[in-house]
Amino acid sequence: GDSVTQMEGPVTLSEEAFLTINCTYTATGYPSLFWYVQYPGEGLQLLLKATKADDKGSNKGFEATYRKETTSFHLEKGSVQVSDSAVYFCALVPSPGGYQKVTFGTGTKLQVIP
Amino acid sequence: GAVVSQHPSRVICKSGTSVKIECRSLDFQATTMFWYRQFPKQSLMLMATSNEGSKATYEQGVEKDKFLINHASLTLSTLTVTSAHPEDSSFYICSASGADRPYEQYFGPGTRLTVT
Repeated sequence: GDSVTQMEGPVTLSEEAFLTINCTYTATGYPSLFWYVQYPGEGLQLLLKATKADDKGSNKGFEATYRKETTSFHLEKGSVQVSDSAVYFCALVPSPGGYQKVTFGTGTKLQVIP
Repeated sequence: GAVVSQHPSRVICKSGTSVKIECRSLDFQATTMFWYRQFPKQSLMLMATSNEGSKATYEQGVEKDKFLINHASLTLSTLTVTSAHPEDSSFYICSASGADRPYEQYFGPGTRLTVT
């Protein structure tokens, strides 16, 4: 079955440090890939997405590139802020064009310290 | 655009009572709505999927008689936790998708349920 594997957290970084959160997936076909962010006590917000190989999703300084050859969708940010502290979920939907069940990773907690 | 709201954001109820949680899509028609449960420090567990006007499809292990889901309109779905017990205490999150982009889900802010 489909699966998403994320690096375990928590990840603790100093402000302005470079962030990478690894995400790899297993799926048949050509899934759509997503990163969601969950701030404390809140629901999930879509951070960015990519729907085909080599697409780069970006938002709020975060980027992730859909790499089919390595089945990866790593999240990166060049300079993190304290306000980026949250839990980040990598997710996939098996194929676009119709509803399919979302498969989430286990989430990676990011703590940014001043 | 694509805003989903939930009400209430927090609810405390006594063991044995029922509680209803509403999920609304504010600016789009949600052909499909989803209900998730999130345990502390864990990922989201899909409980059920509902299409407007149809019975919900429950995931394996989720009691449909305990977690009643109604999707009566294209903008509203409700989850009713019946005869709640302390082990039902959790964070419940809904999401919705529309016909134009069915593979993309928009999430509500979540409801914290505490059963005493």
